[in-house]
Amino acid sequence: DGGITQSPKYLFRKEGQNVTLSCEQNLNHDAMYWYRQDPGQGLRLIYYSQIVNDFQKGDIAEGYSVSREKKESFPLTVTSAQKNPTAFYLCASSYKGETQYFGPGTRLLVL
Amino acid sequence: AQSVTQLGSHVSVSEGALVLLRCNYSSSVPPYLFWYVQYPNQGLQLLLKYTSAATLVKGINGFEAEFKKSETSFHLTKPSAHMSDAAEYFCAASSNTGKLIFGQGTTLQVKP
Repeated sequence: DGGITQSPKYLFRKEGQNVTLSCEQNLNHDAMYWYRQDPGQGLRLIYYSQIVNDFQKGDIAEGYSVSREKKESFPLTVTSAQKNPTAFYLCASSYKGETQYFGPGTRLLVL
Repeated sequence: AQSVTQLGSHVSVSEGALVLLRCNYSSSVPPYLFWYVQYPNQGLQLLLKYTSAATLVKGINGFEAEFKKSETSFHLTKPSAHMSDAAEYFCAASSNTGKLIFGQGTTLQVKP
């Protein structure tokens, strides 16, 4: 069954803690993306990767980091430098920059 | 810079009524255009996309959208709303790098 999986569905972060959100796809897509969604603000691009071992900052990369060691995986780390991390995080992938398909999302909450 | 504007953050219709969600894009070159739907606490699901093959694009769940270059618009319509259509809808345009630019979203409420 092909698709994009994100885990966990809910994640709680304590002050000063780094947390990592998982995104995996078995669609053989080249490109992967991370978005942040806040109420009333649509989706904002955090990072994207068009090829393994390469990634670019999006519009709101500060306080986040990523890696792309495998084609199938694009984990996002929310660092302690991100002062307002509470949001819904969406991962997407596409084949050669065409239609993006989205995962089910991870909701990050701060304790 | 490319931008996408969705007119109306909330739209309310009665069940069985016409659904019209408005989207305008700003670009000197017609981009690829998309409509996505999002149900609460879920990811985005592709409804339809315009890739210059035809100006009237049919999607899933009875939705369609018409690309009008002269108006730089890509409005989403459905002839008869169903309760299950209640969700948030996003219009998006792709840049030449494959990045998507999203509108702010429109929440569709369907009243019985």
